[in-house]
Amino acid sequence: GQQLNQSPQSMFIQEGEDVSMNCTSSSIFNTWLWYKQDPGEGPVLLIALYKAGELTSNGRLTAQFGITRKDSFLNISASIPSDVGIYFCAGGEGGSYIPTFGRGTSLIVHP
Amino acid sequence: DTAVSQTPKYLVTQMGNDKSIKCEQNLGHDTMYWYKQDSKKFLKIMFSYNNKELIINETVPNRFSPKSPDKAHLNLHINSLELGDSAVYFCASSQDGGYTFGSGTRLTVV
Repeated sequence: GQQLNQSPQSMFIQEGEDVSMNCTSSSIFNTWLWYKQDPGEGPVLLIALYKAGELTSNGRLTAQFGITRKDSFLNISASIPSDVGIYFCAGGEGGSYIPTFGRGTSLIVHP
Repeated sequence: DTAVSQTPKYLVTQMGNDKSIKCEQNLGHDTMYWYKQDSKKFLKIMFSYNNKELIINETVPNRFSPKSPDKAHLNLHINSLELGDSAVYFCASSQDGGYTFGSGTRLTVV
């Protein structure tokens, strides 16, 4: 089956720093999704990418759909304490697909 | 209004018991799912239903039985609970690729 490698597994940063995380796949995806999970809650969609090369921003978050369609990255600029959580990438084939989730990047931001 | 709501939020039970988790979505989505998140936070698909019909059944013990009385509800019944069933279970729904998750049910089997 498809596998997603998400890295880094965890990050400990100071408030104000920029953050970058990425996912790579052994297969081509038609869709890349980035989710954030707060403690005790379910994942919430941050950014959805539907086209190779697409670069999309949502506030301080920016995500890109890799040209090869096998990777995606998420950047967070000027991190703040409420950015703490687990970030998941998910790749899908479009339509009624079941996305494949990465194993998550745990982000801790020190004030 | 909560888009995808699941109950209970927490469930502590003894080994061997049977328990159910309920899920309801008010988004009008056609497809609903159950995911299991283990202690390492890995999200694993268990079941997927489209318009009340089972379309995905991953390698899950048959002690787990989903039931969808209508397309807005997908409940999960678990028989003969085992210690290894302890996890957070998430319900989700989707339409045209947009996924919405519930807030999870933390199941602890003692």
